[in-house]
Formats: sequence, structure tokens, C-alpha cells
Amino acid sequence: EVQLVESGGGLVQPGGSLRLSCAASGFTFSDHYMDWVRQAPGKGLEWVGRIRKKPNSYTTEYAASVKDRFTISRDDSRNSLYLQMNSLKTEDTAVYYCTRGGTYHPDYWGQGTLVTVSS
Amino acid sequence: DIQMTQSPSSLSASVGDTVTITCRASQDISKSLAWFHQKPGKAPTCLIYDASSLQSGVPSKFSGSGSGRDFTLTISTLQPEDFGTYYCLQYKSYPLTFGGGAKVEI
Repeated sequence: EVQLVESGGGLVQPGGSLRLSCAASGFTFSDHYMDWVRQAPGKGLEWVGRIRKKPNSYTTEYAASVKDRFTISRDDSRNSLYLQMNSLKTEDTAVYYCTRGGTYHPDYWGQGTLVTVSS
Repeated sequence: DIQMTQSPSSLSASVGDTVTITCRASQDISKSLAWFHQKPGKAPTCLIYDASSLQSGVPSKFSGSGSGRDFTLTISTLQPEDFGTYYCLQYKSYPLTFGGGAKVEI
């Protein structure tokens, strides 16, 4: 069974940093690209970014709203995905979901972790 | 960026009904479209990918069609567990973009 479990969310002040983690199990993690998707309270879904597999040099893509502030990384030996968030803004407040890459779409999602940016 | 417009944004339906939700892309995305269902407080689940392929484990009451700019999700024989919000997602080009959602109330 595919399982994705996010952790690391919490309350952080504007301008602060936070690192989210996602522990994957039930599939060969290294065979899949991985995405982060977020959802602000009461709002729709917003794609945050993607990290490709080793054969694609672990290259990344980001939404304009987070580019140069957020960094996605992975550790295939630990079956783990990460999201380093710096210079956080109040508008970054959201539930952050870790998702597995299917063909070219997110096919499995974690339960999400809430990040609240507030003073 | 490619804009995705869903309609209707909300609808009410009865158990047993057939419901149709549409998604229009601001430019041609071929068949690079997925549909997701989200219940309140839960993570989304993938229903359809590549516009019309059923995600593994998803019942055949869900079907997708379309290509280019216009896409449709059809839910037949609506059941109480089908309430929630449905989102489309284009993955033709970066950034990936979601539609605004269609809330289905039973």
C-alpha cells in the first residue's frame, strides 16, 4: 500500500523558515518524481513544485510564488522528500501535501501538514 | 501560465443522478488533464488521468472525456460518498495549474 506521511508543520513567524518532510513507503521511491501541493484554508489547490528522479539529475521545478524561497530535495536512501521553506509570508499559510508522481500527474497524496505563518 | 476554468463552481444533485463537470484550459493541453475528488478535511484522491484513463481502484461510475481545451468529468449514479469538491489539473506545461473546483452537494 502506498503511504505518504508528512511532518514538520507548525506555527512560524513571517520571515522565518521551516522544513517539511515526507516519509514514503509501499513503492519504490527512487522510481518516481515527487511533487508538493498546498491548499490555503478554505481555498483551492496550488501546485508548489516538483523534483525529478536520479536519471533526470534530481532537477526541480517551482511555482513562481515560491521560487527562490522554497527548495525541494529528496533522499532516496531514506525514501524521504523534503521542502525547505525560507522567507515565509502570511500567504504561505496552508496545508502542504506530498504527492507521488504517476505518469505525469500526482497519483497518491499524503494526509497533509499544516503550516501557519503568523506573528 | 495555463488557466483552468471549471464550471459549475457548485451544484446540488440527488442520489442516483448523473452529474457532469467541465474544465476549460486557456490553451491546448492535448490530453494532459487529471481529475481529483476531495472531501472536507481530507486529502484529494485521483480519479482520472490523461483525460479519460481511470486511476487504479477508482469505480467505473467516474468517466472523463475531452482533449485540446475542453474536458468533462461525468459521475453516474451519484451516491452520498460522492459529495465534496472536484478539481481538474493540467500537467501539459509548468507550472501545473488546478481549476478552481466544483463543489457537489447531495
